[in-house]
Amino acid sequence: KAGVTQTPRYLIKTRGQQVTLSCSPISGHRSVSWYQQTPGQGLQFLFEYFSETQRNKGNFPGRFSGRQFSNSRSEMNVSTLELGDSALYLCASSVATNEKLFFGSGTQLSVL
Amino acid sequence: GQQLNQSPQSMFIQEGEDVSMNCTSSSIFNTWLWYKQDPGEGPVLLIALYKAGELTSNGRLTAQFGITRKDSFLNISASIPSDVGIYFCAGHSGGSNYKLTFGKGTLLTVNP
Repeated sequence: KAGVTQTPRYLIKTRGQQVTLSCSPISGHRSVSWYQQTPGQGLQFLFEYFSETQRNKGNFPGRFSGRQFSNSRSEMNVSTLELGDSALYLCASSVATNEKLFFGSGTQLSVL
Repeated sequence: GQQLNQSPQSMFIQEGEDVSMNCTSSSIFNTWLWYKQDPGEGPVLLIALYKAGELTSNGRLTAQFGITRKDSFLNISASIPSDVGIYFCAGHSGGSNYKLTFGKGTLLTVNP
């Protein structure tokens, strides 16, 4: 069974631009969560989607948004990029909420 | 919000030694998860714990769900060089709280 797939693997953007990251969950998994990982803050929860509905949201500004499609694939978007948005963005899927998460390899975003 | 204190922050050990790390929470958790992350990759699930007092093994790894439900421990026996990486604990309290809370990680270095 294929794991969680995230694309692209690396991204370089400049301040003010926007970016869209993609995540394909493990087949059969309906819950997709997004995390931001930085050396200083560790893993920070962004949001979680289940059956195309956002179930929970972390403490991030409105510039961070996401969505989930009917096939459970998910995207997250960051608008008006700031230098501090440079991080590894991780997507994780699970069969349902409150189940163990399986992570993708992440998208490394660098904002210049 | 929920906080997880993971210790130690880093460990330097010799190959063959046993390793112990732990996490404590400010609140009760229903689930504890332990992950390992290699550089440039997403965290990989090692062990999942669902019941207070539960002791679960995965090869040379053993993890325990603390009786108070506010802590968890991970032990690695007879360490080998490929054990190098960052180990994270994570937990959630279930119910309407869908997000996992992660510890800051323990960086393990194994000297051959």
